[in-house]
Amino acid sequence: DPKIIQKPKYLVAVTGSEKILICEQYLGHNAMYWYRQSAKKPLEFMFSYSYQKLMDNQTASSRFQPQSSKKNHLDLQITALKPDDSATYFCASSQPGLGGQDTQYFGPGTRLLVL
Amino acid sequence: SQLAEENSWALSVHEGESVTVNCSYKTSITALQWYRQKSGKGPAQLILIRSNEREKRNGRLRATLDTSSQSSSLSITATRCEDTAVYFCATEPNSGGSNYKLTFGKGTLLTVTP
Repeated sequence: DPKIIQKPKYLVAVTGSEKILICEQYLGHNAMYWYRQSAKKPLEFMFSYSYQKLMDNQTASSRFQPQSSKKNHLDLQITALKPDDSATYFCASSQPGLGGQDTQYFGPGTRLLVL
Repeated sequence: SQLAEENSWALSVHEGESVTVNCSYKTSITALQWYRQKSGKGPAQLILIRSNEREKRNGRLRATLDTSSQSSSLSITATRCEDTAVYFCATEPNSGGSNYKLTFGKGTLLTVTP
């Protein structure tokens, strides 16, 4: 059974539209993350949440907004989509421990194509 | 510039051979992790090696860490076709407090042929 669910698996959007990427984890973890991977850039950290609070934001644009309605949910809302936003978006989770050094578990990803 | 980077873009070996992927990084770290990503899947962690450790093993995998040269290696022995994947090193910066961010290298594509 998949422990981290990302929906949808594939997403096609038009420039200027808004989409929400869904992530649910069933590992009992308290920290969740979003990463982005594209042909132009390596796997890139975007956000981290711990106990539903934003811990780190490395995304320059406010068009990307994480939303945590439940402890095991961290959705990603993207507004005013641009073709450059085309990428695979990965959700991950971990169980923060003392001193960090957490293993992060990744979901299968949502492949977004913006036309 | 990348804070962590694998030294080879691609490697190819025959099944049964051994291979080593190298990584260099640029910041003080608390730990370095090796991940593998198969086509169409998310990355999966292979080994986590802490900054006070020099070597870590996991089955056919062996990771080393040299904090003085800021480098790490991942060796795979008795390679199998199913080891074909992109291998990433990822670092946790030593920024104090809990670490929540991993910085990934660009990855090394390993192809294992029969």
